[in-house]
Amino acid sequence: NAGVTQTPKFQVLKTGQSMTLQCAQDMNHEYMSWYRQDPGMGLRLIHYSVGAGITDQGEVPNGYNVSRSTTEDFPLRLLSAAPSQTSVYFCASRSLAGSTGELFFGEGSRLTVL
Amino acid sequence: SQQGEEDPQALSIQEGENATMNCSYKTSINNLQWYRQNSGRGLVHLILIRSNEREKHSGRLRVTLDTSKKSSSLLITASRAADTASYFCATQAKGYGNKLVFGAGTILRVKS
Repeated sequence: NAGVTQTPKFQVLKTGQSMTLQCAQDMNHEYMSWYRQDPGMGLRLIHYSVGAGITDQGEVPNGYNVSRSTTEDFPLRLLSAAPSQTSVYFCASRSLAGSTGELFFGEGSRLTVL
Repeated sequence: SQQGEEDPQALSIQEGENATMNCSYKTSINNLQWYRQNSGRGLVHLILIRSNEREKHSGRLRVTLDTSKKSSSLLITASRAADTASYFCATQAKGYGNKLVFGAGTILRVKS
């Protein structure tokens, strides 16, 4: 059982380039989300989804796009990378059924924008 | 923002001692969760406490919740070097749907 898988683990971009961070989960979770983690600021929610075809913005959505065409996948697109988007990105998912509310995290994708 | 705030920002203790971390938040919540993050890794869920609960235990972990003060504490008893990590509280606020909002975290160092 792989859980939440993120690729790539590391990426270096130049300002203005675009790229997609991939996230896949094999737990049939309805809820998927993307966070960015910066030193001293904890995790900030970028976008989230409660099912295929449904996405919504979090706290810091500007500069990022998401789509949810399947239950398993939730890619995060950087449209035109900026140095301010240098961060560690985490994808997380959970079931909306049951009562635990536990989020399952991937191992992170470390992005540097030069 | 409904973001929780942890206190202290960093904590250094000897192995065998207890570690207490606090979390404050701003809005009414459905539940509050604690997560651990080892260096360079993703976050791992530790424990969830609902708004109608006051205390919860899991192994060496004890979590309390005071909704009147909008605060929670995480106690790790008999700490071990392997407990060295960052600890985050996260809140699911009422009226904010399924979103989980994290605080800035407490860095715990347990010296052996």
